[in-house]
Amino acid sequence: DARVTQTPRDKVTEMGQEVTMRCQPILGHNTVFWYRQTMMQGLELLAYFRNRAPLDDSGMPKDRFSAEMPDATLATLKIQPSEPRDSAVYFCASGLTYLRALQETQYFGPGTRLLVL
Amino acid sequence: GQQVMQIPQYQHVQEGEDFTTYCNSSTTLSNIQWYKQRPGGHPVFLIQLVKSGEVKKQKRLTFQFGEAKKNSSLHITATQTTDVGTYFCAGSSGSARQLTFGSGTQLTVLP
Repeated sequence: DARVTQTPRDKVTEMGQEVTMRCQPILGHNTVFWYRQTMMQGLELLAYFRNRAPLDDSGMPKDRFSAEMPDATLATLKIQPSEPRDSAVYFCASGLTYLRALQETQYFGPGTRLLVL
Repeated sequence: GQQVMQIPQYQHVQEGEDFTTYCNSSTTLSNIQWYKQRPGGHPVFLIQLVKSGEVKKQKRLTFQFGEAKKNSSLHITATQTTDVGTYFCAGSSGSARQLTFGSGTQLTVLP
């Protein structure tokens, strides 16, 4: 039963600290998405990658957030420095894109619940 | 940019009653997907609609895609407590491959 895994599941940190969230997409999937979910803003797309190349990170605050895919089995989302307004649940999702497919199904990981004090 | 609006935001129903959530896009969509998120969980894919006027059914769930491909609905017949959760629609348009999620409808089913 293939699943997207995310670590850590929960993170409590103090303002100003660096936070790194990791995601392991489903083996064979070529697209990875990072979302942030809050009560106020709902699900927001932060960034996404296809074949490890960043395609869109327009939803991400550039000054403090960065997303990378060092290899096909690992995606990372970093916040430096973190702020209380970054408190949210961060989801990673992966999918398999075919050339002619309209839209791939996205498989979400369990999320990282971040609290910045 | 593309906006996807979803109503209602909350819905409480008695078990056995029907439930409908509606999704409207500011632009014509290439396709629309529906996801369900249980409390404390993560969004789980339910279905994708691609064709104008398309209707798909999954047991008690009926999904529709509008003729103009700008709106969609999810209807649940005879709700059960297992239907509790937040239902999201998500659409993409043009050459964009990312999904824009609606704000979701949180369904509570009272036993």
